[in-house]
Parts: sequence; structure tokens; C-alpha cells
Amino acid sequence: EPEVTQTPSHQVTQMGQEVILRCVPISNHLYFYWYRQILGQKVEFLVSFYNNEISEKSEIFDDQFSVERPDGSNFTLKIRSTKLEDSAMYFCASSQSTRQGKSYGYTFGSGTRLTVV
Amino acid sequence: SQQGEEDPQALSIQEGENATMNCSYKTSINNLQWYRQNSGRGLVHLILIRSNEREKHSGRLRVTLDTSKKSSSLLITASRAADTASYFCATVFNDMRFGAGTRLTVKP
Repeated sequence: EPEVTQTPSHQVTQMGQEVILRCVPISNHLYFYWYRQILGQKVEFLVSFYNNEISEKSEIFDDQFSVERPDGSNFTLKIRSTKLEDSAMYFCASSQSTRQGKSYGYTFGSGTRLTVV
Repeated sequence: SQQGEEDPQALSIQEGENATMNCSYKTSINNLQWYRQNSGRGLVHLILIRSNEREKHSGRLRVTLDTSKKSSSLLITASRAADTASYFCATVFNDMRFGAGTRLTVKP
């Protein structure tokens, strides 16, 4: 069964450093997403991406964050100047479509656990 | 908000019993989805119900949707210890938003 692949599975970084989290969505999916989950809390939407641009973003997704699809397969989340409170599990997901009338479940990756020290 | 809110927050049952989890939301949706998460792991898609559907089944799972009440329920029948996990509803309109989840414990 096709999978969404995320790397690394765990990353430790110093406060103030930049990190790039990587994701390889399912190849025929058109929509890509990043979510995060702070330990013990709910899964929070960060951003959705379609046709090489951001389609929706939450209030969490401020100028510290950016997303990119640098080639035909990777989808990255960059976090600049990391803070302690950025420590969380970051999930990438992809789907075929979100539009009404063609509804598909999202396929999530296993997540990257980011620890900022 | 669009986000679903599950209740109860935690549910503990014996193996073989049925588990019912509820989700309420506040805005319009295109579809509603249920996900499962084992502790510290990724999210696994369980079932999707469209806004024009009222009930859906998948194996031991039964999901209902009442758009007039803006609520959904997930029923797991004949529960097993391996069903122990957190269960989240997620509402989809332009994007998908998760509720806080129900932590289900099934005791052997």
C-alpha cells in the first residue's frame, strides 16, 4: 500500500537553529499538508499546499514557517529560528482531493519528532 | 470553530464490549473522518463519511453523521485489547481540523 514517508523520524536541534522536515507524499496525490501535535495535545493544522502554492494556513503558520516542493517528489517544512515551544511531532499528509463530491481520506506519514533544546 | 470535539475524553471498557465515541462540530463540512493514533505513533485513517451520508460501516466500525445536529459517532463493536488507542474525529471543509480525541482503553 502506498505510504507517505517522513524523514528524519527524530530530530534534535538547538534553540535558534533552522530545521527542515522532509516528506515524500504519495505520488498521485495532489494535496499536501503539515500538522503538528505537541505532546499530549490535539493534532493542529498548519498548512495545506496545492498546485505549488499554499491554499490554506492556520494562525500557527506564521513567518517562522515555510513550505516548499523543491522537486516532483519532496514536500518540506522549514522552521526558522526554532523555539522550545516548537518541540512537537510534525505530521505530513497527502490526499487525492478535498473538493466536495470527491472526498478522500488523508494518508499520514509516521511523523518527525522535533525536540528543541 | 470547524474543529470537532470528541466526548468522552477517555473511555475504559472490557474486551468484547462496544465502544461509542461522539464528535460535535460547529460549522459546515464536506466530510467527516475518524482517525486512530496509537501512543506516540502516526495517524491512521479509519473511515470517511460524506456530508450527504448518514451511516457507514467498515468491519467492526460504524459511523453515523447527523448534519442537523452537527454530530457524529463512532461505534467499535466487540472491542479488542488491540483497539486501545486515541480516536480523533476530523472535519473537512477547505482543510481538515482535528478534535482533541478520545482515549480508549480496552482491558483484556
